[in-house]
Amino acid sequence: ETGVTQSPTHLIKTRGQQVTLRCSSQSGHNTVSWYQQALGQGPQFIFQYYREEENGRGNFPPRFSGLQFPNYSSELNVNALELDDSALYLCASSSTTGTNTEAFFGQGTRLTVV
Amino acid sequence: AQTVTQSQPEMSVQEAETVTLSCTYDTSESDYYLFWYKQPPSRQMILVIRQEAYKQQNATENRFSVNFQKAAKSFSLKISDSQLGDAAMYFCAQNNAGNMLTFGGGTRLMVKP
Repeated sequence: ETGVTQSPTHLIKTRGQQVTLRCSSQSGHNTVSWYQQALGQGPQFIFQYYREEENGRGNFPPRFSGLQFPNYSSELNVNALELDDSALYLCASSSTTGTNTEAFFGQGTRLTVV
Repeated sequence: AQTVTQSQPEMSVQEAETVTLSCTYDTSESDYYLFWYKQPPSRQMILVIRQEAYKQQNATENRFSVNFQKAAKSFSLKISDSQLGDAAMYFCAQNNAGNMLTFGGGTRLMVKP
């Protein structure tokens, strides 16, 4: 158990809909990163939030957006869902953005777009 | 841009034997860590071992050790005395200055009893 919790665990949505995924970071952690893991592939970095501000973004379109709240929990929002958005979405929290800081992962949300 | 490559989609090892998983990477960063993560069917990424790029000494954690060759940009994982519980997907990863991770495509490790 890492103390990072994600909800829901599974989700089925229809193409064109919008979805919100949630992540509660480990106590004391102010940094949350989101990753998309397509079936059979390694995770890909979507974006990172540090103290409620977006701190970095991967190669994902603007319809992927996020928020971080004062308690450092975070949301990932995806608009206009496409079939290729079907994936496992992982969040990871860490105590800082430093390279020597371990990131702790949640168990992910499995999103299926039909 | 950073890239991480794992050239072995699947590996198999007999229980109690030793197996080595390969990883190469490319980066322009000077300050970074390299990681091996294990992802069992439960989906949660578990950190197995990490190596700071500035340290020449290879990291070791119990049965897990790495062979870090900085000039060759190679970072392999050796698992000794393999156990059935080691069966999982293994991902090599590198972070950057903001602690954002770049992952390889993964290696599925099967352990035969």
